[in-house]
Amino acid sequence: DSGVTQTPKHLITATGQRVTLRCSPRSGDLSVYWYQQSLDQGLQFLIQYYNGEERAKGNILERFSAQQFPDLHSELNLSSLELGDSALYFCASRNTGGSYNEQFFGPGTRLTVL
Amino acid sequence: QKEVEQDPGPLSVPEGAIVSLNCTYSNSAFQYFMWYRQYSRKGPELLMYTYSSGNKEDGRFTAQVDKSSKYISLFIRDSQPSDSATYLCAMTHQGAQKLVFGQGTRLTINP
Repeated sequence: DSGVTQTPKHLITATGQRVTLRCSPRSGDLSVYWYQQSLDQGLQFLIQYYNGEERAKGNILERFSAQQFPDLHSELNLSSLELGDSALYFCASRNTGGSYNEQFFGPGTRLTVL
Repeated sequence: QKEVEQDPGPLSVPEGAIVSLNCTYSNSAFQYFMWYRQYSRKGPELLMYTYSSGNKEDGRFTAQVDKSSKYISLFIRDSQPSDSATYLCAMTHQGAQKLVFGQGTRLTINP
């Protein structure tokens, strides 16, 4: 158990809908990262937050957005969903006092868009 | 061309064999190299971490980095059925926040 929690574990929804994925980082970790894992693209970095502020952006679609709250939990919002958005979404948090870029991953949310 | 290339396998070997997993990369700025292990329906977990070139050993696992060839390897000695998982290489460089992952290699160790 990495200490990173994600809810829900599974999400099934329809095209055009909007969903919110939630992540709670390990105690004390200020950085939260979101990744998307699909069969054809592998694990792709989406976005990073540090102590409530956006720090880095990757291949995140404009239909997707994220935020980090004062209690450090983070939410990833996916809107106008398409079939191709079906994937595993992982959250990771980083121990800023540990090895460089040592990120600890949560169990993931499996999103299925029908 | 992807920044990090990794043969997705699948790779199947008998128990006790030595396993070699590899990644190549194109970005010469990468300095930090990691291997993650991902069991089915679980999140990736950090297995090995190496800075710059050289070798690092941890029990049955050895990570090697050859920056001149832009090539990294993970060796697993005395492989066990419990090592069956997908192994992902990942890398990044100073000042970067994101990790760049390989596609992952699915490994099965047969008893």
